[in-house]
Amino acid sequence: QVQLVQSGAEVKKPGASVKVSCKASGYSFTDYDINWVRQAPGQGPEWMGWMNPDSGDTGYAQKFQGRVTLTRDTSIGTAYMELSSLRSEDTAVYYCARNPSHSGWFDPWGQGTLVTVSS
Amino acid sequence: QAVVTQPSSLSASPGASASLTCTLRSGVNVGSYNIYWFQQKPGSPPQCLLRYKSDSDKRQGSGVPSRFSGSKDASANAGILLISGLQSEDEADYYCMIWHNSAWVFGGGTKLTVL
Repeated sequence: QVQLVQSGAEVKKPGASVKVSCKASGYSFTDYDINWVRQAPGQGPEWMGWMNPDSGDTGYAQKFQGRVTLTRDTSIGTAYMELSSLRSEDTAVYYCARNPSHSGWFDPWGQGTLVTVSS
Repeated sequence: QAVVTQPSSLSASPGASASLTCTLRSGVNVGSYNIYWFQQKPGSPPQCLLRYKSDSDKRQGSGVPSRFSGSKDASANAGILLISGLQSEDEADYYCMIWHNSAWVFGGGTKLTVL
């Protein structure tokens, strides 16, 4: 079945970077975009950016411009989200989600990766 | 002012209907937008329920019961998620989302309590 499996939880210090992976299976990886969404404790989802795995094109939310980088490795069907200059407010569960290009039909989602930023 | 606003909570009784609103900021015309609705239960990622633009342009999620439906109230500049015949399993957080200014924007969510 179509599935996105994310890497495990991370604990980082302020100022560090984190890289989360999202491995796709059950479909052709390059046929759908991958979006990244985060959710801080007790808060609603917050969209971070999208990537087209076929072309490598990306788009980022203004809030994260310059701090987030989305990449992929098509040979292993995996997308990556790297967030730099971490601060405590970045503590959240980070999700990847598949969608057809130019659509908000985010389905499925990965299981989520908890990133904790603490000194 | 946020682009998309949702009431923080709503309570309704089993068997009743619940109408969850997603109000767009003044100047952002709801008629022009696809409204996506997601359901999230504790410890799980959001799940896409449906997309609604108009009665002739909408999509239901696979396996999503027909008692979940979408609509719009142009006078209120809002998208609406209607859940009829409420069941205890419908208790969850519900989020709407639109594409605005080259970004996906989520509402703050409505916590639906079924009691």
